[in-house]
Amino acid sequence: QSVLTQPPSVSAAPGQKVTISCSGSSSNIGNNYVSWYQQLPGTAPKLLIYDNNKRPSGIPDRFSGSKSGTSATLGITGLQTGDEADYYCGTWDSSLSSWVFGGGTKLTVL
Amino acid sequence: QVQLQESGPGLVKPSETLSLTCTVSGGSVSSGSYYWSWIRQPPGKGLEWIGYIYYSGSTNYNPSLKSRVTISVDTSKNQFSLKLSSVTAADTAVYYCATSRGYFDLWGRGTLVTVSS
Repeated sequence: QSVLTQPPSVSAAPGQKVTISCSGSSSNIGNNYVSWYQQLPGTAPKLLIYDNNKRPSGIPDRFSGSKSGTSATLGITGLQTGDEADYYCGTWDSSLSSWVFGGGTKLTVL
Repeated sequence: QVQLQESGPGLVKPSETLSLTCTVSGGSVSSGSYYWSWIRQPPGKGLEWIGYIYYSGSTNYNPSLKSRVTISVDTSKNQFSLKLSSVTAADTAVYYCATSRGYFDLWGRGTLVTVSS
Protein backbone atom coordinates (compact mmCIF):
# COMPACT_ATOMS: atom_id res chain seq x y z
CA GLN A 1 0.00 0.00 0.00
CA SER A 2 1.70 3.18 -1.22
CA VAL A 3 1.49 6.45 0.70
CA LEU A 4 0.64 8.22 -2.56
CA THR A 5 -2.34 6.89 -4.52
CA GLN A 6 -2.30 6.62 -8.30
CA PRO A 7 -4.71 4.83 -10.63
CA PRO A 8 -3.21 1.49 -11.69
CA SER A 9 -3.83 2.17 -15.36
CA VAL A 10 -5.04 4.74 -17.86
CA SER A 11 -5.49 4.55 -21.60
CA ALA A 12 -6.21 6.83 -24.51
CA ALA A 13 -5.87 6.94 -28.27
CA PRO A 14 -2.91 8.43 -30.13
CA GLY A 15 -3.14 12.18 -30.36
CA GLN A 16 -5.47 12.43 -27.39
CA LYS A 17 -4.82 13.81 -23.90
CA VAL A 18 -4.58 11.88 -20.65
CA THR A 19 -4.19 12.87 -17.02
CA ILE A 20 -2.74 10.81 -14.18
CA SER A 21 -3.65 11.70 -10.63
CA CYS A 22 -1.57 11.36 -7.48
CA SER A 23 -3.33 11.74 -4.15
CA GLY A 24 -1.61 12.23 -0.81
CA SER A 25 -1.94 14.18 2.42
CA SER A 26 -0.80 17.33 4.14
CA SER A 27 2.39 15.62 5.31
CA ASN A 28 3.55 14.91 1.79
CA ILE A 29 1.99 16.51 -1.31
CA GLY A 30 0.25 19.21 0.70
CA ASN A 31 3.52 20.73 1.90
CA ASN A 32 6.24 19.51 -0.44
CA TYR A 33 7.14 19.61 -4.10
CA VAL A 34 5.99 16.76 -6.34
CA SER A 35 8.03 15.16 -9.11
CA TRP A 36 6.99 12.72 -11.82
CA TYR A 37 8.96 9.91 -13.45
CA GLN A 38 8.49 7.97 -16.67
CA GLN A 39 9.70 4.38 -16.80
CA LEU A 40 9.73 2.85 -20.26
CA PRO A 41 9.69 -0.97 -20.35
CA GLY A 42 12.99 -2.44 -19.19
CA THR A 43 14.63 0.90 -18.45
CA ALA A 44 15.41 3.09 -15.47
CA PRO A 45 12.95 5.80 -14.44
CA LYS A 46 13.46 9.21 -16.01
CA LEU A 47 12.61 12.57 -14.46
CA LEU A 48 9.66 14.11 -16.27
CA ILE A 49 8.44 16.91 -13.98
CA TYR A 50 9.99 18.45 -10.86
CA ASP A 51 8.88 21.08 -8.34
CA ASN A 52 5.22 20.37 -9.24
CA ASN A 53 5.27 21.81 -12.74
CA LYS A 54 8.81 22.31 -14.09
CA ARG A 55 10.19 20.33 -17.00
CA PRO A 56 13.87 19.34 -17.21
CA SER A 57 15.72 20.27 -20.36
CA GLY A 58 14.74 17.95 -23.20
CA ILE A 59 11.28 17.06 -21.92
CA PRO A 60 8.68 18.18 -24.46
CA ASP A 61 5.93 20.57 -23.44
CA ARG A 62 3.38 17.82 -24.14
CA PHE A 63 4.10 16.85 -20.53
CA SER A 64 2.80 19.09 -17.76
CA GLY A 65 2.36 18.94 -14.02
CA SER A 66 0.10 20.65 -11.54
CA LYS A 67 -0.70 20.51 -7.84
CA SER A 68 -3.71 21.51 -5.82
CA GLY A 69 -3.93 20.91 -2.10
CA THR A 70 -2.99 17.30 -1.39
CA SER A 71 -3.22 16.08 -5.00
CA ALA A 72 -1.04 16.37 -8.06
CA THR A 73 -1.72 15.68 -11.71
CA LEU A 74 0.44 14.75 -14.67
CA GLY A 75 -0.94 15.70 -18.07
CA ILE A 76 0.19 14.34 -21.40
CA THR A 77 -1.16 15.77 -24.66
CA GLY A 78 -0.69 14.59 -28.22
CA LEU A 79 -0.23 11.00 -27.06
CA GLN A 80 2.26 8.86 -28.95
CA THR A 81 2.81 5.12 -28.86
CA GLY A 82 6.25 5.88 -27.46
CA ASP A 83 4.59 7.34 -24.35
CA GLU A 84 3.48 3.85 -23.27
CA ALA A 85 5.21 3.47 -19.91
CA ASP A 86 4.74 3.38 -16.17
CA TYR A 87 4.47 6.79 -14.53
CA TYR A 88 5.30 7.46 -10.87
CA CYS A 89 4.74 10.48 -8.67
CA GLY A 90 7.02 11.15 -5.72
CA THR A 91 7.55 13.59 -2.90
CA TRP A 92 8.99 13.95 0.58
CA ASP A 93 6.81 12.94 3.51
CA SER A 94 7.53 15.15 6.49
CA SER A 95 5.80 12.86 8.99
CA LEU A 96 7.58 9.72 7.84
CA SER A 97 10.86 11.58 7.23
CA SER A 98 11.08 9.60 4.06
CA TRP A 99 10.79 10.01 0.33
CA VAL A 100 7.60 8.32 -0.92
CA PHE A 101 6.39 7.24 -4.34
CA GLY A 102 2.99 6.44 -5.76
CA GLY A 103 2.28 2.88 -6.80
CA GLY A 104 2.67 3.77 -10.47
CA THR A 105 0.26 4.12 -13.38
CA LYS A 106 0.56 2.12 -16.56
CA LEU A 107 -0.29 4.20 -19.61
CA THR A 108 -1.58 2.37 -22.66
CA VAL A 109 -1.86 4.24 -25.95
CA LEU A 110 -4.52 2.32 -27.83
CA GLN B 1 26.99 15.36 -17.60
CA VAL B 2 27.05 13.17 -14.51
CA GLN B 3 26.59 9.47 -15.16
CA LEU B 4 26.01 6.71 -12.63
CA GLN B 5 26.79 2.98 -12.83
CA GLU B 6 25.78 0.37 -10.27
CA SER B 7 27.92 -2.70 -9.65
CA GLY B 8 27.92 -5.66 -7.30
CA PRO B 9 26.88 -9.29 -6.92
CA GLY B 10 23.68 -10.30 -8.68
CA LEU B 11 22.99 -13.11 -6.21
CA VAL B 12 23.02 -12.92 -2.43
CA LYS B 13 22.13 -15.65 0.04
CA PRO B 14 19.38 -15.15 2.63
CA SER B 15 20.60 -13.64 5.93
CA GLU B 16 23.74 -12.27 4.26
CA THR B 17 24.62 -8.67 3.44
CA LEU B 18 23.89 -7.12 0.05
CA SER B 19 26.66 -4.76 -1.08
CA LEU B 20 26.45 -2.46 -4.09
CA THR B 21 28.59 0.37 -5.39
CA CYS B 22 27.66 3.31 -7.58
CA THR B 23 30.48 4.82 -9.60
CA VAL B 24 30.08 8.47 -10.54
CA SER B 25 31.56 9.81 -13.77
CA GLY B 26 31.40 13.29 -15.23
CA GLY B 27 31.13 14.81 -11.79
CA SER B 28 32.36 14.54 -8.22
CA VAL B 29 30.66 13.03 -5.19
CA SER B 30 32.39 15.80 -3.24
CA SER B 31 30.79 18.62 -5.22
CA GLY B 32 27.95 19.26 -2.82
CA SER B 33 25.58 19.65 -5.76
CA TYR B 34 23.67 16.48 -5.07
CA TYR B 35 22.52 14.05 -2.49
CA TRP B 36 23.49 10.53 -3.59
CA SER B 37 20.58 8.11 -3.36
CA TRP B 38 19.64 4.46 -3.59
CA ILE B 39 16.19 3.36 -4.80
CA ARG B 40 14.94 -0.15 -5.46
CA GLN B 41 12.16 -1.80 -7.45
CA PRO B 42 11.02 -5.39 -6.80
CA PRO B 43 10.14 -7.27 -9.99
CA GLY B 44 6.80 -6.06 -11.33
CA LYS B 45 6.35 -3.59 -8.47
CA GLY B 46 6.83 0.10 -7.73
CA LEU B 47 9.73 2.23 -6.55
CA GLU B 48 10.99 2.31 -2.97
CA TRP B 49 13.45 4.92 -1.70
CA ILE B 50 16.22 3.37 0.41
CA GLY B 51 18.17 6.42 1.49
CA TYR B 52 20.75 9.03 0.58
CA ILE B 53 24.10 10.41 1.60
CA TYR B 54 25.63 13.86 1.24
CA TYR B 55 29.31 14.31 0.48
CA SER B 56 29.85 15.36 4.10
CA GLY B 57 28.75 11.89 5.16
CA SER B 58 25.38 12.83 6.56
CA THR B 59 22.72 10.25 5.76
CA ASN B 60 18.97 9.78 5.76
CA TYR B 61 17.34 6.37 5.49
CA ASN B 62 13.87 5.01 4.84
CA PRO B 63 12.54 4.25 8.36
CA SER B 64 11.28 0.84 7.18
CA LEU B 65 14.85 -0.20 6.24
CA LYS B 66 16.89 1.95 8.60
CA SER B 67 17.94 -0.84 10.94
CA ARG B 68 19.53 -2.79 8.06
CA VAL B 69 20.90 -0.06 5.77
CA THR B 70 24.25 1.69 5.58
CA ILE B 71 25.14 4.13 2.81
CA SER B 72 28.68 5.41 2.60
CA VAL B 73 30.75 7.57 0.27
CA ASP B 74 34.32 7.10 -0.94
CA THR B 75 35.55 10.40 -2.32
CA SER B 76 38.92 8.93 -3.37
CA LYS B 77 37.16 6.53 -5.75
CA ASN B 78 34.28 8.87 -6.60
CA GLN B 79 31.82 6.22 -5.47
CA PHE B 80 29.06 5.71 -2.98
CA SER B 81 27.89 2.38 -1.63
CA LEU B 82 24.92 0.55 -0.19
CA LYS B 83 24.95 -2.23 2.36
CA LEU B 84 21.73 -4.00 3.32
CA SER B 85 22.06 -6.63 6.00
CA SER B 86 20.04 -9.73 6.87
CA VAL B 87 18.46 -9.94 3.44
CA THR B 88 15.45 -12.08 2.59
CA ALA B 89 13.65 -12.90 -0.63
CA ALA B 90 11.66 -9.68 -0.16
CA ASP B 91 14.85 -7.74 -0.87
CA THR B 92 15.05 -9.13 -4.40
CA ALA B 93 14.85 -6.08 -6.63
CA VAL B 94 16.50 -3.90 -9.22
CA TYR B 95 18.63 -1.44 -7.28
CA TYR B 96 19.18 2.02 -8.74
CA CYS B 97 21.56 4.74 -7.68
CA ALA B 98 20.44 8.27 -8.42
CA THR B 99 21.25 11.90 -7.78
CA SER B 100 18.76 13.95 -5.84
CA ARG B 101 18.15 17.66 -5.38
CA GLY B 102 14.64 17.45 -4.02
CA TYR B 103 13.86 15.17 -6.94
CA PHE B 104 15.75 12.35 -8.63
CA ASP B 105 17.18 13.79 -11.79
CA LEU B 106 19.84 11.32 -12.85
CA TRP B 107 19.59 7.55 -12.56
CA GLY B 108 21.89 4.62 -13.16
CA ARG B 109 20.70 1.76 -15.34
CA GLY B 110 20.01 -0.39 -12.30
CA THR B 111 21.27 -3.79 -11.25
CA LEU B 112 19.15 -6.82 -10.39
CA VAL B 113 19.95 -8.44 -7.07
CA THR B 114 18.33 -11.78 -6.34
CA VAL B 115 18.22 -13.17 -2.82
CA SER B 116 18.25 -16.94 -2.98
CA SER B 117 20.14 -19.88 -1.55
